[in-house]
Amino acid sequence: DAKTTQPPSMDCAEGRAANLPCNHSTISGNEYVYWYRQIHSQGPQYIIHGLKNNETNEMASLIITEDRKSSTLILPHATLRDTAVYYCIVRGAGNQGGKLIFGQGTELSVKP
Amino acid sequence: DGGITQSPKYLFRKEGQNVTLSCEQNLNHDAMYWYRQDPGQGLRLIYYSQIVNDFQKGDIAEGYSVSREKKESFPLTVTSAQKNPTAFYLCASSGTGGGLPLHFGNGTRLTVT
Repeated sequence: DAKTTQPPSMDCAEGRAANLPCNHSTISGNEYVYWYRQIHSQGPQYIIHGLKNNETNEMASLIITEDRKSSTLILPHATLRDTAVYYCIVRGAGNQGGKLIFGQGTELSVKP
Repeated sequence: DGGITQSPKYLFRKEGQNVTLSCEQNLNHDAMYWYRQDPGQGLRLIYYSQIVNDFQKGDIAEGYSVSREKKESFPLTVTSAQKNPTAFYLCASSGTGGGLPLHFGNGTRLTVT
């Protein structure tokens, strides 16, 4: 599975959009991009995933570049409860799909 | 509500004792996984199971054992052979179609002294 690179920390003002970048330059054609977030002492929470096209759900939007080598998670109106560590993960389908490789993630701090 | 239940949330054991962590899901997922997380680190895969009565070792299976006798249950035993058992243990499940996300439980924090 491809490795991902994320900035270690970011700040965002409450009510503003939080844009979290992720590089996955070695991604292969059948690998999806997933985003999770983790609040201390809880399990990771699934946010969104995509293959090629941009995706949106009730939590966030995922923008994937045309060459698929990077992506951005957008929280459109960040709240204090969005403060967490955000993980970008690349995962292939198939029997090895459970082998999620979590990096260090981005620690997002939403400030009043 | 559908979800994954891990119990207990906190577990304390003496060194040399085996301990079993529970993981139950009612999402009707075929695949289940166990991960370990250490402070400031990402998740590392211990074992996973794609179907009942079958499971595969992950990256750090030494000192652990699992069983998958029922679709909804995937208990993890931390044996006395595991040299550094104190950690946060996370269970997850997913469907087995391509691209389906994993869903995680809220973890069990095991402390061995």
